[in-house]
Amino acid sequence: GAGVSQTPSNKVTEKGKYVELRCDPISGHTALYWYRQSLGQGPEFLIYFQGTGAADDSGLPNDRFFAVRPEGSVSTLKIQRTERGDSAVYLCASSQKTPQYQETQYFGPGTRLLVL
Amino acid sequence: KQEVTQIPAALSVPEGENLVLNCSFTDSAIYNLQWFRQDPGKGLTSLLLIQSSQREQTSGRLNASLDKSSGRSTLYIAASQPGDSATYLCAVSGNKLVFGAGTILRVKS
Repeated sequence: GAGVSQTPSNKVTEKGKYVELRCDPISGHTALYWYRQSLGQGPEFLIYFQGTGAADDSGLPNDRFFAVRPEGSVSTLKIQRTERGDSAVYLCASSQKTPQYQETQYFGPGTRLLVL
Repeated sequence: KQEVTQIPAALSVPEGENLVLNCSFTDSAIYNLQWFRQDPGKGLTSLLLIQSSQREQTSGRLNASLDKSSGRSTLYIAASQPGDSATYLCAVSGNKLVFGAGTILRVKS
């Protein structure tokens, strides 16, 4: 596709439920990133994939959060037992190469998650 | 731990003014620094990327500078227009992007 796409664009769920957020990166981009943005803040890094493997998952806040990228393209961020504090915009980005190659990251429009 | 601070938090200017947004970071071991624009309810659009070996980048009415040793960057916007109204985010790249909280810019017509 022309850019990074994310689905759904909005998700409302109840506390304790399980949610999955999907990211389709730009075709051919090997690096994929997930960020979380709370109101009035900049995005916070969650996890970075290089190909199929998670190269850095140091930003995941706890073990309720998990992400996969089984074929090195589409990625899914999974949140178990959601809490109201998980409410935020979840952003996905992709780039052609690893961060060391100083390539810009292209961001999707985000998924707005609201946990009631 | 890298920390990024942006000043001011919000800025309102009349159309046509030149303006400067500031960004500072605590760890100078970065690959690059990027400035992004974010419109309400939208994702981020990359404006300028300055590699760690560079001192500035220009694109149209935008000019960004980088002083790694002092941990500072500025984004200069010339002849501001109402369409420039948005949130501007600075981010530094080590192995991951670390963002500031942003500057909310409003350009009044």
